[in-house]
Amino acid sequence: QKEVEQDPGPLSVPEGAIVSLNCTYSNSAFQYFMWYRQYSRKGPELLMYTYSSGNKEDGRFTAQVDKSSKYISLFIRDSQPSDSATYLCCNYGGATNKLIFGTGTLLAVQP
Amino acid sequence: GAGVSQSPSNKVTEKGKDVELRCDPISGHTALYWYRQSLGQGLEFLIYFQGNSAPDKSGLPSDRFSAERTGGSVSTLTIQRTQQEDSAVYLCASSGRNTGELFFGEGSRLTVL
Repeated sequence: QKEVEQDPGPLSVPEGAIVSLNCTYSNSAFQYFMWYRQYSRKGPELLMYTYSSGNKEDGRFTAQVDKSSKYISLFIRDSQPSDSATYLCCNYGGATNKLIFGTGTLLAVQP
Repeated sequence: GAGVSQSPSNKVTEKGKDVELRCDPISGHTALYWYRQSLGQGLEFLIYFQGNSAPDKSGLPSDRFSAERTGGSVSTLTIQRTQQEDSAVYLCASSGRNTGELFFGEGSRLTVL
């Protein structure tokens, strides 16, 4: 079992839709939970960052962490074609300083 | 520029040749990571440098892979006797804080023929 599991997609939605991206993890030592966004042929960039269970909102983006079920979600409201990218969930913490990434979900928002 | 710089951006080599990939992190960042990204495989951790501490090499896939970081700044990832399965995008990232916020370069795309 991988430490971080993520549905690779691709996920295609119409512009304006609400997008839900999900991730599960196995290591309860993880303390930090992040979503990175990667455009085609670019390096990933940090999108959202949370430390604890609960919700964190930033504009159209909401990150949700449920430590009891080891489940992480990213919601995108009013999705735009510019949101088309690969979204990587990432966990960090515990005994090492390695960031463990999921495989990424490819999202396409159709205009 | 102020970001992480990687070179070359593209490298095509023949099987069995050695390659060197370079990463110039953001000035002042003490942590430096190398990841490998293959199609459909996500980011695979390779190696992590933090200041003057011994690097965490636990992700290097074989002894053909090595990396060094000189003077706490520039890092070089070396792959000896390249194989076709080494074809991937090699991403470097640096961080100034111990929180997981990484700043990535655009990667070096390696193709082994």
